Amino acid sequence: GQQVMQIPQYQHVQEGEDFTTYCNSSTTLSNIQWYKQRPGGHPVFLIQLVKSGEVKKQKRLTFQFGEAKKNSSLHITATQTTDVGTYFCPTSNDYKLSFGAGTTVTVRA
Amino acid sequence: NAGVTQTPKFQVLKTGQSMTLQCAQDMNHEYMSWYRQDPGMGLRLIHYSVGAGITDQGEVPNGYNVSRSTTEDFPLRLLSAAPSQTSVYFCASRTRGTNSPLHFGNGTRLTVT
Repeated sequence: GQQVMQIPQYQHVQEGEDFTTYCNSSTTLSNIQWYKQRPGGHPVFLIQLVKSGEVKKQKRLTFQFGEAKKNSSLHITATQTTDVGTYFCPTSNDYKLSFGAGTTVTVRA
Repeated sequence: NAGVTQTPKFQVLKTGQSMTLQCAQDMNHEYMSWYRQDPGMGLRLIHYSVGAGITDQGEVPNGYNVSRSTTEDFPLRLLSAAPSQTSVYFCASRTRGTNSPLHFGNGTRLTVT
């Protein structure tokens, strides 16, 4: 199955600053999905990228799929306390989605 | 639509007890799965099902059983609870297409003493 490494595992951000989290694969990905889990909550689907070089935006969140479809990034501008949580980019193997530890984001007010 | 419903929300068991975590979805999803989440370890797949009557093992199946007699329901059975099974359990479902997003339930927080 595909293996994706997500970095960093922890991100401490000052409120108002920008940050980026990355998912890197050693193999070509057919697509990549991003999920967010708030503290005490359940993972929620954010977005899916399918095309090489694809960029999608959701308000202050920008998702990008690499040209080679081996990596993806999530960039958050002007971080707010509502951005706190863990962001996942699970790997897909047939029907199964494998979630790593994700990137856990904390925000300093 | 209720989406994915898990019961109970919280449960405390003693070592050796058995119980069933319930999961139901009303979206007519073919695929259903169970994950457990432990601090710092992400979500690990326990069992999954691609349709009624079909189940298969995930990464950490030992100590758990599942069945899928209907499309809607996918219960997870703990045969003899152990402290190592203390965790948060999530049920998730999606349509058959492998690109479709997973819909998660709110989770069951299980403590085994």
